[in-house]
Amino acid sequence: AQSVTQLDSHVSVSEGTPVLLRCNYSSSYSPSLFWYVQHPNKGLQLLLKYTSAATLVKGINGFEAEFKKSETSFHLTKPSAHMSDAAEYFCVVSDRGKSTFGDGTTLTVKP
Amino acid sequence: ETGVTQTPRHLVMGMTNKKSLKCEQHLGHNAMYWYKQSAKKPLELMFVYNFKEQTENNSVPSRFSPECPNSSHLFLHLHTLQPEDSALYLCASSQEVLAGGSSRTDTQYFGPGTRLTVL
Repeated sequence: AQSVTQLDSHVSVSEGTPVLLRCNYSSSYSPSLFWYVQHPNKGLQLLLKYTSAATLVKGINGFEAEFKKSETSFHLTKPSAHMSDAAEYFCVVSDRGKSTFGDGTTLTVKP
Repeated sequence: ETGVTQTPRHLVMGMTNKKSLKCEQHLGHNAMYWYKQSAKKPLELMFVYNFKEQTENNSVPSRFSPECPNSSHLFLHLHTLQPEDSALYLCASSQEVLAGGSSRTDTQYFGPGTRLTVL
C-alpha cells in the first residue's frame, strides 16, 4: 500500500521570500514521486518528478525538490516566490502502475 | 498546451439529461484516466484505461459510464446525475511502462477539465 501526506493545507508567503511545501510518502517499493501545480480552473501541470536518479530534482519555474529516503519526504522548495506561483500544489507517489495524490496545498503569495 | 484536450469546457445539465464528456490525447500514450475534483475535497480517481482496457473503477456510481474506443479517445457518459456530481472533471494520459512483471506510471498529462454543474 502507498500513501502521501501533504503536511500543510495552506501556505502563505510574501513575494520574494522562500517557499516550502512539505510532502511525506509511504511506499513498499521504490516509487516515483511527482509535484503538480494547478492554477484556478485549469488542469494539473507537472512541476518536476523523481524516478530514482538524482535525489535533488529541478523543475520548471525555479522549483526543486529533494528526495530523502530516510525521512520518506519529497519537499518542494523555491528560493523566491513570485505572485504567479499562487496556486494549488499536489504531491503524487506512483508505484507499480498506481498513483496516489495528496490532498493538495494552497499557496498564497502576498505582495 | 499539454496535448490533452477536453470538451466541453463547461456543461450545465439537469438531473434527467444525458450528456457526454470527451477527452482526446495527442501524445501517443497508452493509458488514460478520469478524475473528479470537487471543491474542498481531494482529487478522486474514477477510471483508468490501459491499452484501451479498463483496469480500475473506483466504486464509481453507474450513472457515470466510461468508454475508450481507442488509445487516443476517452469518453465519460453521464445520465441521471445528482447535484453532488457537480465538479471539475479532469482527463489525463500517461505512458505505462512494463518492466519486470509490473508497470510504472510515467508523468500524467492533464487536460484543462470540464466544469460540470448539475441543477
